[in-house]
Amino acid sequence: AQSVTQLDSQVPVFEEAPVELRCNYSSSVSVYLFWYVQYPNQGLQLLLKYLSGSTLVESINGFEAEFNKSQTSFHLRKPSVHISDTAEYFCAVSVTGGFKTIFGAGTRLFVKA
Amino acid sequence: DTGVSQDPRHKITKRGQNVTFRCDPISEHNRLYWYRQTLGQGPEFLTYFQNEAQLEKSRLLSDRFSAERPKGSFSTLEIQRTEQGDSAMYLCASSQASGRINYNEQFFGPGTRLTVL
Repeated sequence: AQSVTQLDSQVPVFEEAPVELRCNYSSSVSVYLFWYVQYPNQGLQLLLKYLSGSTLVESINGFEAEFNKSQTSFHLRKPSVHISDTAEYFCAVSVTGGFKTIFGAGTRLFVKA
Repeated sequence: DTGVSQDPRHKITKRGQNVTFRCDPISEHNRLYWYRQTLGQGPEFLTYFQNEAQLEKSRLLSDRFSAERPKGSFSTLEIQRTEQGDSAMYLCASSQASGRINYNEQFFGPGTRLTVL
């Protein structure tokens, strides 16, 4: 079975500061990895994904995540956050070729002015 | 808007009543998922359809829960004899397997928030 652990439930940070949201996963088989974002009163949106190839993946709004197989991690980073990045972020894992996605408990990112 | 839609967005009911939620997936998607999200937790998988076939149900889905997807289009999730523990956000997602990687990006609806009094 797969599991996802998001190590921080809340991360407060000042605007324009860097941020890292941590995610570790457990799986005995190869997986796909995802970060989803949920803005207040909205559904989940896919932020970025790792399927194969380059271990560093990027989103269009400046976030990046690096797949580290040896440490079973997929941490999300952004060098300079904006107020509009305030949201809940979910790390998720899916078995390759499978359909079920397992989500972490989420990390609430709160960007302060 | 061609995204996933869910109806209603909010539902308040009394314990013991039955409720039904509807999900309309993206039209070309053949896979549909239901998740439950409680406060402070990530979405938990409930069930999955490929076209009209329900291929897997989580152990979280007790006998009081039933889901259908007639004709492989919209889906309904019914909860009978609701309990206070059923209070949660119910999320629907849809996807279409693509390419050789067989990766299916799930697109989520806004959810139905259920409150059982």
